[in-house]
Amino acid sequence: EPEVTQTPSHQVTQMGQEVILRCVPISNHLYFYWYRQILGQKVEFLVSFYNNEISEKSEIFDDQFSVERPDGSNFTLKIRSTKLEDSAMYFCASSEATQNYEQYFGPGTRLTVT
Amino acid sequence: GEDVEQSLFLSVREGDSSVINCTYTDSSSTYLYWYKQEPGAGLQLLTYIFSNMDMKQDQRLTVLLNKKDKHLSLRIADTQTGDSAIYFCAERASGGSYIPTFGRGTSLIVHP
Repeated sequence: EPEVTQTPSHQVTQMGQEVILRCVPISNHLYFYWYRQILGQKVEFLVSFYNNEISEKSEIFDDQFSVERPDGSNFTLKIRSTKLEDSAMYFCASSEATQNYEQYFGPGTRLTVT
Repeated sequence: GEDVEQSLFLSVREGDSSVINCTYTDSSSTYLYWYKQEPGAGLQLLTYIFSNMDMKQDQRLTVLLNKKDKHLSLRIADTQTGDSAIYFCAERASGGSYIPTFGRGTSLIVHP
């Protein structure tokens, strides 16, 4: 069964460093998403991406964040200058379309900022 | 804004029924979801219910919706150790944003 994959599974970085989290969505899916979950808190939406552009973003997704689909398979989330409060589990998801279509989630990347 | 609340932990004995509860605030919620996250895996859509339904049953799973009280529950009959996971409640309204609003997740622990 096709699945969303994410790498790395755990990333440790120092405050102020740039990180890139990588995702490979399911191949025939057109919509891509990033969510995060700070430990003990809710899963929060960050951004959705369709047709090579951001379709929706939350207030969390500020100028420190960017997304890219550099090739036909990868979908990346970049955090420009990490802060301690960026420590969280980051989930990538993809779907065939939007309304009524299930979002398939990856296993997540745990980001630890020290 | 929308809010979804659920308790953080539930512990049950194998073979018993588990009931995981969730409350939400958005009265325009149309789709209500239950996701399951097993250790090391992503969130997997377990089941969902439309707001015009009161109940949905799927094998061992029963979803109950009380729209008046904005209360959603997931009942797992004959709970097995393999059901141990984190269960996320989520909701979204029809139209506009298609992004669901999630709760914190309820960690279900099934012990023998």
